[in-house]
Amino acid sequence: DAGVTQSPTHLIKTRGQQVTLRCSPKSGHDTVSWYQQALGQGPQFIFQYYEEEERQRGNFPDRFSGHQFPNYSSELNVNALLLGDSALYLCASSLFRGRATEAFFGQGTRLTVV
Amino acid sequence: GDSVTQMEGPVTLSEEAFLTINCTYTATGYPSLFWYVQYPGEGLQLLLKATKADDKGSNKGFEATYRKETTSFHLEKGSVQVSDSAVYFCALRLGSGNTGKLIFGQGTTLQVKP
Repeated sequence: DAGVTQSPTHLIKTRGQQVTLRCSPKSGHDTVSWYQQALGQGPQFIFQYYEEEERQRGNFPDRFSGHQFPNYSSELNVNALLLGDSALYLCASSLFRGRATEAFFGQGTRLTVV
Repeated sequence: GDSVTQMEGPVTLSEEAFLTINCTYTATGYPSLFWYVQYPGEGLQLLLKATKADDKGSNKGFEATYRKETTSFHLEKGSVQVSDSAVYFCALRLGSGNTGKLIFGQGTTLQVKP
């Protein structure tokens, strides 16, 4: 079991550009959540996807958008990048229904905006 | 709003010392409480959890008890090791399901010296 996998591991973008981050959930999981972790801070919830729909959203602007595919994998898109978007982006997967399971986190994508 | 507050770090201890990391929360309703650990360059790993008042979560020698009367979930370990050096995050999740968003504290860095 590969667990939650994220790609790429690191990337550098220029202000104003757009970026797409990818996440494959743990085998058997159907729900993906995205978090932003600024340096020295705790993760902040961005949004959650289940059945290819956004189910919950945190306090992030519309520049942050996402998608979930039929195989449960997910993408996070950020448009018009700002320097303040530099952070570690974490993906977490879980099971929407059934026996209680906890969220498993990937190792994250380190985004640097210059 | 709902929030988690942790003691500020870094916490520096000698090997075999006793560890306490304080965590208090504010929440509407009855949250589940978690401790996550983040080792350098890695994502978050669930360390332990408690889902109702007076529950004690434990794992790898770490313990935390859900205290509703003091809205606290302090992390303790009787004898720390160098390998415990990491950042520890306290978090809460509202709702009874598996997929509510996690609200994290700012994290506490633990450094254990030989």
